[in-house]
Amino acid sequence: EDQVTQSPEALRLQEGESSSLNCSYTVSGLRGLFWYRQDPGKGPEFLFTLYSAGEEKEKERLKATLTKKESFLHITAPKPEDSATYLCAVRTGGFKTIFGAGTRLFVKA
Amino acid sequence: DGGITQSPKYLFRKEGQNVTLSCEQNLNHDAMYWYRQDPGQGLRLIYYSQIVNDFQKGDIAEGYSVSREKKESFPLTVTSAQKNPTAFYLCASSGDQPQHFGDGTRLSIL
Repeated sequence: EDQVTQSPEALRLQEGESSSLNCSYTVSGLRGLFWYRQDPGKGPEFLFTLYSAGEEKEKERLKATLTKKESFLHITAPKPEDSATYLCAVRTGGFKTIFGAGTRLFVKA
Repeated sequence: DGGITQSPKYLFRKEGQNVTLSCEQNLNHDAMYWYRQDPGQGLRLIYYSQIVNDFQKGDIAEGYSVSREKKESFPLTVTSAQKNPTAFYLCASSGDQPQHFGDGTRLSIL
């Protein structure tokens, strides 16, 4: 069964304390892995697409990486405005998109 | 600006009532989707449409209905048959990938 699991469920960081969020997946054929940011009461905002193992994408303090079994979202020197829920989604070989439950990130000043 | 507009932002349903959630996009995307988001769960697909006048059931279609009469519009009706409708509903659209989302409608029961 196709599955996407994100960990941890919640992460509390001090401002400037770098860390990583994990997205592990078991799917029948990978046609893309997507990271989104979601603020409370808002829709998900697209961040990155990764297609193949070894690929990396960066945007400001965020860097996404991909292996054959998982993806990491690295957050370098986070600020309070980085606080949000980060969602991972995988598009399978059957052209279905499966979302993880998300990681809630809290960054304290 | 191009984007996806969902309305209303908040909606209340009475017992036995059908309610309709609006989704409009001006991104010229062919595909549109409806998801339901509950606390602690991933987004679950209700219905999707890849072309005008055609749509398919997703994983949790029971108690919901949709129409796709125009490329720009994909309204979702939550019928009285949906016994647990309280949730955050998200509409999305895509050309190829990724999907882009509206800002959601929060539906509650009166």
